[in-house]
Amino acid sequence: GQNIDQPTEMTATEGAIVQINCTYQTSGFNGLFWYQQHAAEAPTFLSYNVLDGLEEKGRFSSFLSRSKGYSYLLLKELQMKDSASYLCAVRGPGAGSYQLTFGKGTKLSVIP
Amino acid sequence: SQTIHQWPATLVQPVGSPLSLECTVEGTSNPNLYWYRQAAGRGLQLLFYSVGIGQISSEVPQNLSASRPQDRQFILSSKKLLLSDSGFYLCAWKGEGGATYNEQFFGPGTRLTVL
Repeated sequence: GQNIDQPTEMTATEGAIVQINCTYQTSGFNGLFWYQQHAAEAPTFLSYNVLDGLEEKGRFSSFLSRSKGYSYLLLKELQMKDSASYLCAVRGPGAGSYQLTFGKGTKLSVIP
Repeated sequence: SQTIHQWPATLVQPVGSPLSLECTVEGTSNPNLYWYRQAAGRGLQLLFYSVGIGQISSEVPQNLSASRPQDRQFILSSKKLLLSDSGFYLCAWKGEGGATYNEQFFGPGTRLTVL
C-alpha cells in the first residue's frame, strides 16, 4: 500500500521562503506530484519528480530523494495568493499505472 | 485544448436519496478517467478509475458506483446516500499521449452535502 505524510498546517510571511515536506512509504514508485488547491477549488498541477534531485519552475521548486522516500516543495518570494493547500501525491507501481495516492495536504497561510 | 466539466457544482440531498454526478471531457480521446472524494479533514481519496468505455475499477468498497457509457463521459451514482457521502467530488483525466508529466487534470468539482 501507499502511506503519505505531510504537515497539516504551516504559516509563513509574505516575501519569505517556505519548505513543505512530504514523506512516503510505498510498495512501488513511479513519480511524485505536487498540486496546489485553493479553498473550494480543484487541485492544479505544480510539479513532478521521478528522478532524484531538484526541479525548479519559477518561484516553486520540488526536490526528491527516492532512497529516503522524501520530497519537499519550496516556495520562494511568498505572495498572499500562495495561501492554499499543497497536496503531495505518489504515482502507483507498474508502468501502466496512472493512479495517484494523495496525502492529506498542507494548508499554508501567508501573512503580511 | 482539453476541458473537463462536472455538474452540478453543488448539491444538497437527503439521506437515502439517489445520486448521479456527471463528468465529461472535451478535446481528448480515450482518456483515463478518475473519481475522487475529498471529505472534510481528509485527503483526496480515489474512488473509481476507468481506462475505457465500460471498464471500471473500484478502489474503495462503498455504496457508490461508476459507469462510463461513452469515451468522454464518466458518471458517479448511488442508490441511497449516507451522511458519510458528503464531500467534494472531483473528476480527473489523464490523456493518452501529450501530457507532459502524466499528471491528472481535475474538473471544477461537485460539493455534495447529505442531510
